[in-house]
Amino acid sequence: GQNIDQPTEMTATEGAIVQINCTYQTSGFNGLFWYQQHAGEAPTFLSYNVLDGLEEKGRFSSFLSRSKGYSYLLLKELQMKDSASYLCAVLDSNYQLIWGAGTKLIKSQ
Amino acid sequence: GAVVSQHPSRVICKSGTSVKIECRSLDFQATTMFWYRQFPKQSLMLMATSNEGSKATYEQGVEKDKFLINHASLTLSTLTVTSAHPEDSSFYICSARDLGGQQPQHFGDGTRLSIL
Repeated sequence: GQNIDQPTEMTATEGAIVQINCTYQTSGFNGLFWYQQHAGEAPTFLSYNVLDGLEEKGRFSSFLSRSKGYSYLLLKELQMKDSASYLCAVLDSNYQLIWGAGTKLIKSQ
Repeated sequence: GAVVSQHPSRVICKSGTSVKIECRSLDFQATTMFWYRQFPKQSLMLMATSNEGSKATYEQGVEKDKFLINHASLTLSTLTVTSAHPEDSSFYICSARDLGGQQPQHFGDGTRLSIL
């Protein structure tokens, strides 16, 4: 079957650097997406990786290793507004999006 | 960037009512739109894939007669929850994808449905 794994929850302090990991086993691969979802709101698109390597976009970066079936989302200089769930999703060979359960990022005091 | 408009944002109605939710792509054409449901503190659950001009593809366990989907144009898809009951109360979110399978899905703001 198809599977996306990411931690359920992570905690970090303001200003910290946080890395959220995602591993996947899917039938084919046409890219990996990261979305941010605040409580009670719809997801918003953060990044898309289809080739190996690091994509940087401001305070957010996303990394992909296709041979390892692995990606991470890196958040730098953590801010209050970054408290949200982060969803990893993989586009399979049928261009169907397979969703992870999401990682809830909690800012600690 | 791509904008998807979903309406209404919130519905509260009595059991037995049918509720229609609209999803529009405002600045791009979407041959494919997706309907998700999300219960509190749970992940997105894909209900159906809506294809313009053809019948929707429903995920296993989703009743097609209960959740009617119409995708009459390249910019509009509707989901009608027929004869809604309290167990249908949930957060319904639509998304649309621009032409090309590798484009990201862009989400509407969601509809919070509460059935009394």
